[in-house]
Amino acid sequence: EVQLVESGGGLVQPGGSLRISCAASEFIFRNYWMHWVRQAPGKGLEWVSFIKNDGTFTTFADSVKGRFTISRDNAKNTMYLQMNSLRADDTAVYYCATGGDNYYDSWGQGTLVTVSS
Amino acid sequence: QSALTQPASVSGSPGQSITISCTGTSSDVGGSNQVSWYQHHPGKAPRAMIYDVTKRPSGVSNRFSGSKSGNTASLTISGLQADDEADYYCLSLTTTTTWVFGGGTKLTVL
Repeated sequence: EVQLVESGGGLVQPGGSLRISCAASEFIFRNYWMHWVRQAPGKGLEWVSFIKNDGTFTTFADSVKGRFTISRDNAKNTMYLQMNSLRADDTAVYYCATGGDNYYDSWGQGTLVTVSS
Repeated sequence: QSALTQPASVSGSPGQSITISCTGTSSDVGGSNQVSWYQHHPGKAPRAMIYDVTKRPSGVSNRFSGSKSGNTASLTISGLQADDEADYYCLSLTTTTTWVFGGGTKLTVL
């Protein structure tokens, strides 16, 4: 069974930086496109970022473009989200997600990022 | 990238049918065949119920169906059951290879 485990969340001050990770197992990670999705407290799901299986193509939501960077290390079966210039409205649970067909069939349990002074 | 528009809430009695709409633009829903729907029970991972507008993942009941007309996609649930009560989100690929969720719809089974 596909396993995705996020880590690295925590409390960070406004303007600060944080890198979160998504460790994958039980599937051929290098073959799969990967996404980050977040959910702010009491709010709906928001797509954040995408990275192609070989890491050569990435896209971002307008709300994070220029502040967040997505990357992956296929040798380590791990994806990353580098978050800079963090704002209060970035506070959310961040999930990594993937799927073979055109939908997410696997999600991690999420990691909470709190931006507050 | 504005969130797709969904009704905040819908409700129905057991056995009835309900439809949730998801309205976007020609840059997302109207221009994409990659529209999917997710059921989300609080504290659990979202579960895909429909993908590619009309397809059902393996294991999803045929009570769930999807359609699209113009810039609006729809999820229909027939024969409502108590455990259908959840939040539902649409998701669309856009013409710039980004993705956008709907704002979410809370389904209440009366």
